[in-house]
Amino acid sequence: DAGITQSPRHKVTETGTPVTLRCHQTENHRYMYWYRQDPGHGLRLIHYSYGVKDTDKGEVSDGYSVSRSKTEDFLLTLESATSSQTSVYFCAISDGRGPDTQYFGPGTRLTVL
Amino acid sequence: SQQGEEDPQALSIQEGENATMNCSYKTSINNLQWYRQNSGRGLVHLILIRSNEREKHSGRLRVTLDTSKKSSSLLITASRAADTASYFCLLQGGSEKLVFGKGTKLTVNP
Repeated sequence: DAGITQSPRHKVTETGTPVTLRCHQTENHRYMYWYRQDPGHGLRLIHYSYGVKDTDKGEVSDGYSVSRSKTEDFLLTLESATSSQTSVYFCAISDGRGPDTQYFGPGTRLTVL
Repeated sequence: SQQGEEDPQALSIQEGENATMNCSYKTSINNLQWYRQNSGRGLVHLILIRSNEREKHSGRLRVTLDTSKKSSSLLITASRAADTASYFCLLQGGSEKLVFGKGTKLTVNP
């Protein structure tokens, strides 16, 4: 398995609270991605990073922000969590050379009450 | 906007049978990938096919791509119970960087 970890693996929080999810890689890959997975929607790209301090929006970026201060860490922040952000969040990495084969982390299950 | 539509949404077969699932898309792509997801786990890359390729094989997997019809198919031959999983196509190219299909849930009965 690619060296990708996500923390926490499970989290329950209340509406309006800030939440930060962490993705950590040991592969030194350039690209990192955050997806959310919901029934009936498959995986949807939230944000991605193509280098330290270089990030861009994906398909469903509203309500989310990201930061990448080191190659190995990519943080996803929900500034004020809402129930619609209840989901399973996956981090992925790719080396960005040619077609982007992605390697996925184990996921974080977030419940917003 | 780009969308990936997979069919069928669910497929149930017996061990030893072949499983075929399809992915259709709307706008041109540079490449298409297939991923597998076991229940509660992250996705695992299976195979990639570029837009200038028509067919690729990897073990029991066969992928075809028809760019004129904007569709791809994934064939799993001689299926096993361990193939039970959800399968997703990932579209790359055009103005939207990465788009996943909604997936096909495959159940292989022993």
